Amino acid sequence: TQLLEQSPQFLSIQEGENLTVYCNSSSVFSSLQWYRQEPGEGPVLLVTVVTGGEVKKLKRLTFQFGDARKDSSLHITAAQPGDTGLYLCAANTGNQFYFGTGTSLTVIP
Amino acid sequence: GAVVSQHPSRVICKSGTSVKIECRSLDFQATTMFWYRQFPKQSLMLMATSNEGSKATYEQGVEKDKFLINHASLTLSTLTVTSAHPEDSSFYICSASGVVAFFGQGTRLTVV
Repeated sequence: TQLLEQSPQFLSIQEGENLTVYCNSSSVFSSLQWYRQEPGEGPVLLVTVVTGGEVKKLKRLTFQFGDARKDSSLHITAAQPGDTGLYLCAANTGNQFYFGTGTSLTVIP
Repeated sequence: GAVVSQHPSRVICKSGTSVKIECRSLDFQATTMFWYRQFPKQSLMLMATSNEGSKATYEQGVEKDKFLINHASLTLSTLTVTSAHPEDSSFYICSASGVVAFFGQGTRLTVV
């Protein structure tokens, strides 16, 4: 059983389209992170959300933490080919990180 | 710059040989490091937690005699894949974490 479920698992869209990735859990977290990973490299931290209902923006990326701190979403506006990669949500439950199931995004030029 | 450095980035070895992967924390002391395995377009699968000065904690289904972990110092953890077979071919990633996780660059292991 996965602690963090992401949807969709795979997403292929045209350049310029918008998309949303979801990260859901039945557990409550004190914080949640989003990472992006390109092929052949390690994941890179994008953002940390801490407060329930918090919204953070990183250029065309908007991250939201659910009010109950059980879920999060990542919205990308006007996707570009450079956004292609694997997006992972993650939560720290103490001394261990749990990662979501992952969303593989392909943006077609 | 990189906070966690992993080496080598790519390795090809013959079936039956052993391969060692190093993971170094560059700017901080890491009492705990994590080793993950990843298949293409899939999420990270935790293999084991490496504890400095003590035995590693392995996840269920991971063979501790096959994937040897040594964390002899606060800045270095190593993963040795012993008697490698083609099915061990994968992308291996280490991380050190506090509030957030910092990852190494990953190691692409190909066993031929």
